[in-house]
Amino acid sequence: EVQMVESGGGLVQPGGSLRLSCTASGFSFGSYYMHWVRQAPGKGLEWVADINQDGRNTHYLDSVKGRFAISRDNALNSGILQMSSLRVEDTAVYYCVRGDGWILDHWGQGQMVTVSS
Amino acid sequence: DIVMTQSPDSLAVSLGERVTINCKSSQSLLSSSTNKDYLGWFQQKPGQPPKLLISWASTRGSGVPDRFSGSGSGTDFTLTISSLQAEDVAVYYCQQYYGGPITFGQGTRLELK
Repeated sequence: EVQMVESGGGLVQPGGSLRLSCTASGFSFGSYYMHWVRQAPGKGLEWVADINQDGRNTHYLDSVKGRFAISRDNALNSGILQMSSLRVEDTAVYYCVRGDGWILDHWGQGQMVTVSS
Repeated sequence: DIVMTQSPDSLAVSLGERVTINCKSSQSLLSSSTNKDYLGWFQQKPGQPPKLLISWASTRGSGVPDRFSGSGSGTDFTLTISSLQAEDVAVYYCQQYYGGPITFGQGTRLELK
Protein backbone atom coordinates (compact mmCIF):
# COMPACT_ATOMS: atom_id res chain seq x y z
CA GLU A 1 0.00 0.00 0.00
CA VAL A 2 1.31 3.42 -0.98
CA GLN A 3 1.74 5.69 2.04
CA MET A 4 3.01 9.23 2.46
CA VAL A 5 3.45 10.30 6.09
CA GLU A 6 4.25 13.88 7.08
CA SER A 7 5.72 15.11 10.33
CA GLY A 8 7.18 18.28 11.81
CA GLY A 9 4.27 20.68 11.83
CA GLY A 10 3.47 23.02 14.67
CA LEU A 11 3.22 26.60 15.89
CA VAL A 12 5.91 29.08 14.89
CA GLN A 13 6.24 32.84 15.18
CA PRO A 14 6.33 35.07 12.10
CA GLY A 15 9.85 35.13 10.71
CA GLY A 16 10.61 31.71 12.15
CA SER A 17 11.53 28.42 10.52
CA LEU A 18 10.06 24.94 10.39
CA ARG A 19 11.07 21.70 8.72
CA LEU A 20 8.47 19.30 7.39
CA SER A 21 9.41 15.70 6.69
CA CYS A 22 7.72 13.16 4.48
CA THR A 23 8.36 9.43 4.66
CA ALA A 24 7.16 7.26 1.81
CA SER A 25 6.49 3.53 1.70
CA GLY A 26 4.86 0.90 -0.46
CA PHE A 27 6.49 1.91 -3.75
CA SER A 28 9.79 2.75 -5.36
CA PHE A 29 10.22 6.28 -4.01
CA GLY A 30 13.04 7.21 -6.35
CA SER A 31 10.84 6.63 -9.41
CA TYR A 32 8.36 9.39 -8.62
CA TYR A 33 8.15 13.13 -8.19
CA MET A 34 7.37 14.51 -4.75
CA HIS A 35 5.12 17.55 -4.28
CA TRP A 36 3.97 19.69 -1.38
CA VAL A 37 0.46 21.14 -1.53
CA ARG A 38 -1.09 23.31 1.18
CA GLN A 39 -4.58 24.21 2.28
CA ALA A 40 -5.27 27.22 4.48
CA PRO A 41 -8.08 26.73 7.03
CA GLY A 42 -11.42 26.60 5.24
CA LYS A 43 -9.80 27.36 1.88
CA GLY A 44 -8.87 25.54 -1.32
CA LEU A 45 -5.75 23.76 -2.47
CA GLU A 46 -2.50 25.53 -3.36
CA TRP A 47 0.49 23.76 -4.87
CA VAL A 48 3.74 24.81 -3.15
CA ALA A 49 6.73 22.96 -4.60
CA ASP A 50 7.91 19.88 -6.43
CA ILE A 51 11.11 17.91 -6.92
CA ASN A 52 11.89 15.41 -9.63
CA GLN A 53 13.04 11.84 -9.21
CA ASP A 54 16.79 12.48 -8.80
CA GLY A 55 16.38 15.72 -6.91
CA ARG A 56 18.10 17.87 -9.51
CA ASN A 57 15.04 19.84 -10.63
CA THR A 58 12.79 21.78 -8.31
CA HIS A 59 9.96 24.27 -8.79
CA TYR A 60 8.28 26.64 -6.35
CA LEU A 61 5.20 28.77 -5.98
CA ASP A 62 6.30 32.38 -6.52
CA SER A 63 5.27 33.45 -3.03
CA VAL A 64 7.58 30.90 -1.35
CA LYS A 65 10.63 31.24 -3.63
CA GLY A 66 13.71 32.07 -1.63
CA ARG A 67 11.99 31.10 1.64
CA PHE A 68 11.15 27.41 1.15
CA ALA A 69 13.47 24.62 -0.01
CA ILE A 70 12.41 21.15 -1.10
CA SER A 71 14.80 18.22 -1.02
CA ARG A 72 14.77 14.43 -0.98
CA ASP A 73 16.85 11.43 0.05
CA ASN A 74 15.95 8.43 -2.08
CA ALA A 75 18.06 6.09 0.06
CA LEU A 76 15.86 6.95 3.03
CA ASN A 77 12.58 7.17 1.06
CA SER A 78 12.06 10.62 2.46
CA GLY A 79 11.65 14.24 1.55
CA ILE A 80 11.91 17.57 3.28
CA LEU A 81 10.28 20.97 2.99
CA GLN A 82 12.44 23.49 4.81
CA MET A 83 10.44 26.64 5.49
CA SER A 84 12.00 29.89 6.67
CA SER A 85 10.95 33.54 7.03
CA LEU A 86 7.46 32.21 7.68
CA ARG A 87 4.50 34.55 7.33
CA VAL A 88 1.02 34.46 8.82
CA GLU A 89 -0.31 33.68 5.34
CA ASP A 90 1.74 30.45 5.28
CA THR A 91 -0.61 29.00 7.89
CA ALA A 92 -2.10 25.85 6.39
CA VAL A 93 -2.23 22.08 6.35
CA TYR A 94 0.74 20.92 4.28
CA TYR A 95 0.32 17.71 2.30
CA CYS A 96 3.15 15.59 0.93
CA VAL A 97 2.01 14.11 -2.37
CA ARG A 98 3.44 11.47 -4.66
CA GLY A 99 3.55 12.64 -8.24
CA ASP A 100 3.44 10.54 -11.36
CA GLY A 101 5.03 13.53 -12.99
CA TRP A 102 2.50 16.21 -12.20
CA ILE A 103 -0.39 13.80 -11.57
CA LEU A 104 -0.91 14.01 -7.80
CA ASP A 105 -1.88 10.42 -7.18
CA HIS A 106 -1.29 9.70 -3.47
CA TRP A 107 -1.61 12.22 -0.64
CA GLY A 108 -0.48 12.10 2.97
CA GLN A 109 -2.80 13.02 5.84
CA GLY A 110 -1.19 16.43 6.16
CA GLN A 111 0.59 18.46 8.84
CA MET A 112 -0.77 21.69 10.31
CA VAL A 113 1.60 24.65 10.27
CA THR A 114 0.43 27.69 12.25
CA VAL A 115 2.33 30.96 11.96
CA SER A 116 1.25 33.29 14.73
CA SER A 117 2.66 35.54 17.44
CA ASP B 1 -0.37 31.28 -14.38
CA ILE B 2 -3.30 29.25 -15.68
CA VAL B 3 -6.50 30.17 -13.86
CA MET B 4 -9.03 27.40 -13.18
CA THR B 5 -12.65 28.40 -12.58
CA GLN B 6 -15.25 25.92 -11.38
CA SER B 7 -19.03 26.20 -11.46
CA PRO B 8 -21.12 26.10 -9.46
CA ASP B 9 -19.44 26.92 -6.14
CA SER B 10 -21.91 24.64 -4.39
CA LEU B 11 -24.87 22.45 -5.16
CA ALA B 12 -27.38 20.27 -3.35
CA VAL B 13 -28.58 17.12 -5.07
CA SER B 14 -30.88 14.25 -4.09
CA LEU B 15 -29.65 10.67 -3.78
CA GLY B 16 -29.65 8.88 -7.11
CA GLU B 17 -29.64 12.06 -9.17
CA ARG B 18 -27.02 13.04 -11.74
CA VAL B 19 -24.38 15.62 -10.78
CA THR B 20 -22.44 17.84 -13.16
CA ILE B 21 -19.53 20.05 -12.11
CA ASN B 22 -17.83 22.31 -14.62
CA CYS B 23 -14.24 23.54 -14.84
CA LYS B 24 -12.88 26.15 -17.23
CA SER B 25 -9.22 26.96 -17.76
CA SER B 26 -7.82 30.32 -18.87
CA GLN B 27 -5.85 28.61 -21.64
CA SER B 28 -6.01 25.31 -23.46
CA LEU B 29 -4.82 22.25 -21.55
CA LEU B 30 -4.58 20.14 -24.71
CA SER B 31 -1.06 19.28 -25.77
CA SER B 32 -0.54 19.05 -29.51
CA SER B 33 2.39 16.70 -29.04
CA THR B 34 0.63 14.14 -26.81
CA ASN B 35 -2.99 14.86 -27.77
CA LYS B 36 -3.83 14.71 -24.07
CA ASP B 37 -5.56 17.19 -21.80
CA TYR B 38 -3.54 17.89 -18.65
CA LEU B 39 -6.52 18.03 -16.30
CA GLY B 40 -7.29 16.16 -13.08
CA TRP B 41 -10.23 15.95 -10.68
CA PHE B 42 -10.04 15.42 -6.93
CA GLN B 43 -12.53 14.61 -4.19
CA GLN B 44 -11.99 15.86 -0.64
CA LYS B 45 -14.22 14.62 2.16
CA PRO B 46 -14.33 16.47 5.50
CA GLY B 47 -11.19 15.93 7.57
CA GLN B 48 -9.49 13.92 4.83
CA PRO B 49 -6.82 14.66 2.23
CA PRO B 50 -7.86 14.99 -1.40
CA LYS B 51 -8.18 11.83 -3.46
CA LEU B 52 -7.40 11.64 -7.16
CA LEU B 53 -10.51 10.68 -9.12
CA ILE B 54 -9.54 11.39 -12.71
CA SER B 55 -6.41 12.26 -14.65
CA TRP B 56 -5.92 13.20 -18.31
CA ALA B 57 -9.44 14.67 -18.20
CA SER B 58 -11.19 11.30 -18.48
CA THR B 59 -9.05 8.46 -17.04
CA ARG B 60 -10.48 7.15 -13.77
CA GLY B 61 -8.02 6.51 -10.98
CA SER B 62 -7.45 3.13 -9.39
CA GLY B 63 -10.52 1.96 -7.45
CA VAL B 64 -12.67 4.93 -8.43
CA PRO B 65 -16.30 3.87 -8.97
CA ASP B 66 -17.52 4.02 -12.55
CA ARG B 67 -20.31 6.42 -11.63
CA PHE B 68 -17.59 9.08 -11.78
CA SER B 69 -16.62 10.23 -15.27
CA GLY B 70 -14.69 13.11 -16.76
CA SER B 71 -15.12 14.75 -20.12
CA GLY B 72 -14.14 17.79 -22.11
CA SER B 73 -11.08 19.09 -23.90
CA GLY B 74 -9.18 22.30 -24.45
CA THR B 75 -10.54 24.78 -21.94
CA ASP B 76 -13.86 23.27 -20.84
CA PHE B 77 -14.20 20.19 -18.69
CA THR B 78 -16.90 18.36 -16.75
CA LEU B 79 -16.99 15.92 -13.86
CA THR B 80 -20.17 13.83 -13.83
CA ILE B 81 -21.51 11.60 -11.10
CA SER B 82 -24.15 9.46 -12.77
CA SER B 83 -26.13 8.57 -9.65
CA LEU B 84 -25.30 10.38 -6.42
CA GLN B 85 -24.51 8.23 -3.38
CA ALA B 86 -24.37 9.48 0.21
CA GLU B 87 -20.62 8.88 0.36
CA ASP B 88 -20.08 11.31 -2.54
CA VAL B 89 -20.75 14.33 -0.32
CA ALA B 90 -17.47 16.23 -0.58
CA VAL B 91 -15.68 19.17 -2.13
CA TYR B 92 -14.48 18.56 -5.67
CA TYR B 93 -11.47 20.30 -7.26
CA CYS B 94 -10.16 20.41 -10.80
CA GLN B 95 -6.44 20.84 -11.34
CA GLN B 96 -4.29 21.63 -14.34
CA TYR B 97 -0.82 20.30 -14.85
CA TYR B 98 -0.26 21.62 -18.38
CA GLY B 99 2.21 24.32 -17.49
CA GLY B 100 3.57 26.91 -15.10
CA PRO B 101 2.73 26.21 -11.52
CA ILE B 102 0.11 23.52 -10.93
CA THR B 103 -3.15 25.32 -10.19
CA PHE B 104 -6.50 24.23 -8.82
CA GLY B 105 -10.05 25.43 -9.19
CA GLN B 106 -11.65 27.04 -6.14
CA GLY B 107 -13.68 23.91 -5.37
CA THR B 108 -17.32 22.87 -5.65
CA ARG B 109 -19.11 21.80 -2.49
CA LEU B 110 -21.58 18.96 -3.09
CA GLU B 111 -24.29 18.38 -0.49
CA LEU B 112 -27.37 16.22 -0.17
CA LYS B 113 -30.75 17.78 -0.76
